[in-house]
Amino acid sequence: DAKTTQPPSMDCAEGRAANLPCNHSTISGNEYVYWYRQIHSQGPQYIIHGLKNNETNEMASLIITEDRKSSTLILPHATLRDTAVYYCIVRVGTGANNLFFGTGTRLTVIP
Amino acid sequence: NAGVTQTPKFQVLKTGQSMTLQCAQDMNHEYMSWYRQDPGMGLRLIHYSVGAGITDQGEVPNGYNVSRSTTEDFPLRLLSAAPSQTSVYFCASRGLAGLTTSTDTQYFGPGTRLTVL
Repeated sequence: DAKTTQPPSMDCAEGRAANLPCNHSTISGNEYVYWYRQIHSQGPQYIIHGLKNNETNEMASLIITEDRKSSTLILPHATLRDTAVYYCIVRVGTGANNLFFGTGTRLTVIP
Repeated sequence: NAGVTQTPKFQVLKTGQSMTLQCAQDMNHEYMSWYRQDPGMGLRLIHYSVGAGITDQGEVPNGYNVSRSTTEDFPLRLLSAAPSQTSVYFCASRGLAGLTTSTDTQYFGPGTRLTVL
């Protein structure tokens, strides 16, 4: 699976959009981009995933560049409960393979 | 559904002791896995299973054994605990519908915090 690069930490004001970048320049054509988050001491939680089109669900939006070498997770109106470590993961979307978690981005939402 | 459950939540062991971390899921998921997370680090895969009777090693399997006798349960055994195994352990599951689609999200348990003295 392709490696990802994320900034170690970011701050965001409460109520503002949080934009979390991820670089995956070695991604291959059959690899999807997944985002998970881990709120302090809890198990990771799935947020969203995509292949090449932008995706949106009730939690977030995922913007993937046309060349697929990077993506951005957008939390449109960050709340204090969004403070967490966010993991960007790329992997083959099908088959019984596994997620590789790097160190992620620690997002702190500031009141 | 209870989702993925793990017991115990906390455990303290002495070096050399053995124990089993329990993991169960009630979503009829074929795929289950164990991760460990050390302070300030991401999760690392220990072992995984794609169905009853089938297990395989992940990134850091040494010192751990697993078995999968039922779809619901996937226990992790520490054979002879060492201080290096002090960590938080997460169990996860997902359906193998992901074999042909990307709709393949993993569900994680709440974790077991293990300290080996």
